Amino acid sequence: AQKVTQAQTEISVVEKEDVTLDCVYETRDTTYYLFWYKQPPSGELVFLIRRNSFDEQNEISGRYSWNFQKSTSSFNFTITASQVVDSAVYFCALSEAATGFQKLVFGTGTRLLVSP
Amino acid sequence: DTAVSQTPKYLVTQMGNDKSIKCEQNLGHDTMYWYKQDSKKFLKIMFSYNNKELIINETVPNRFSPKSPDKAHLNLHINSLELGDSAVYFCASSQGQRGFYEQYFGPGTRLTVT
Repeated sequence: AQKVTQAQTEISVVEKEDVTLDCVYETRDTTYYLFWYKQPPSGELVFLIRRNSFDEQNEISGRYSWNFQKSTSSFNFTITASQVVDSAVYFCALSEAATGFQKLVFGTGTRLLVSP
Repeated sequence: DTAVSQTPKYLVTQMGNDKSIKCEQNLGHDTMYWYKQDSKKFLKIMFSYNNKELIINETVPNRFSPKSPDKAHLNLHINSLELGDSAVYFCASSQGQRGFYEQYFGPGTRLTVT
């Protein structure tokens, strides 16, 4: 069965600090997809990134970067030079290909608090 | 234009009542979903529809009945509401039903059952 673990419940940092949000997943499938979503205080869920299991290249988008390591079943998310607007709950999610249709399984989320 | 919209945004009702939440997407997507987010922020899929056809039903009580009149709309009707139904309900859509499509979420409907 698929499972996503976000062990960090809450992280507090001061603006301009770098912060890494951990995500560890479990799956028996050889083809799967990993996602990160952001839920700001306003409540909506915002898609950030998708990574395929066969593509282990790390990705950088502005201050955001993602480190995918199949060997440790991890898909960690780093925010460089954090800003107050980064304060949100961040969810890691997993979707397996074997079922033929998408069933996203979410981690429990990590609440990031960035103070000025 | 809002990509995925839900109405109402807030819903307060008493136990035993029946209520509906509506969802519409203007992205031209084929697949739509309902999720429940509990008070601890845990998100769990409830239903998924592809081109108006139910493809996922995650052992949700049959008091919950989704309906998809067309592929742009997915409504959720809840009968005999219980205290435990209090949560935020999110609608989402994706281009297709395969696992690699990202989902786009609506703003959520906060349901409070008293």
